[in-house]
Amino acid sequence: QSVLTQPPSASASLGASVTLTCTLSSGYSNYKVDWYQQRPGKGPRFVMRVGAGGIVGSKGDGIPDRFSVLGSGLNRYLTIKNIQEEDESDYHCGADHGSGSNFVYVFGTGTKVTVL
Amino acid sequence: QVQLQESGPGLVKPSQTLSLTCTVSGGSISSGSYYWSWIRQPAGKGLEWIGRIYTSGSTNYNPSLKSRVTISVGMSKNQFSLKLSSVTAADTAVYYCARRDVRSGSYFDYWGQGTLVTVSS
Repeated sequence: QSVLTQPPSASASLGASVTLTCTLSSGYSNYKVDWYQQRPGKGPRFVMRVGAGGIVGSKGDGIPDRFSVLGSGLNRYLTIKNIQEEDESDYHCGADHGSGSNFVYVFGTGTKVTVL
Repeated sequence: QVQLQESGPGLVKPSQTLSLTCTVSGGSISSGSYYWSWIRQPAGKGLEWIGRIYTSGSTNYNPSLKSRVTISVGMSKNQFSLKLSSVTAADTAVYYCARRDVRSGSYFDYWGQGTLVTVSS
């Protein structure tokens, strides 16, 4: 069972909102999750980190205010309001898993966001 | 401004060893407290963390690849490398190197542009 689960796709009309979900597997409700944006043909860039209580730390460089996060139970959400064409990307969630010699960084399978 | 750049063969034969180097500019990998990671992405799929090396030289590897992976600091103090042995077609992917501060709450803040490695005879 994967630690992080993401739906494969999401879409929204230009100017509308979309919420992406990253679901933690049972037992990991205390995990903080990192969101990364990956535009077509580019490397990922950090969006922000979210825990059960909401954003942890600061947004990544250049991330617009229309991006926000929320945490609830096993779910970590990324919401994009007033979505723009430039937001069409793959969005990956990731998290620290384990510690010391057993540390692993795990990623979800990513969600492709399409702007209609 | 820190920059990372991956380099290495774009084509590797099955059963051979994949070798990549990440060159860091704008700072030395031996200064400061950072983790230096390798991450890969097969075409059309998600990201997979391969492993990391700390400034001190200690390493962590993804258990799914641990038996085949070695990450080390290069001869040049501004390089670290990845070796993946006994490759198969399943190892075909874009390979990224990335940096992360060791402080709590850090994230992968700098990434290379990625390099495509194809495993094929």
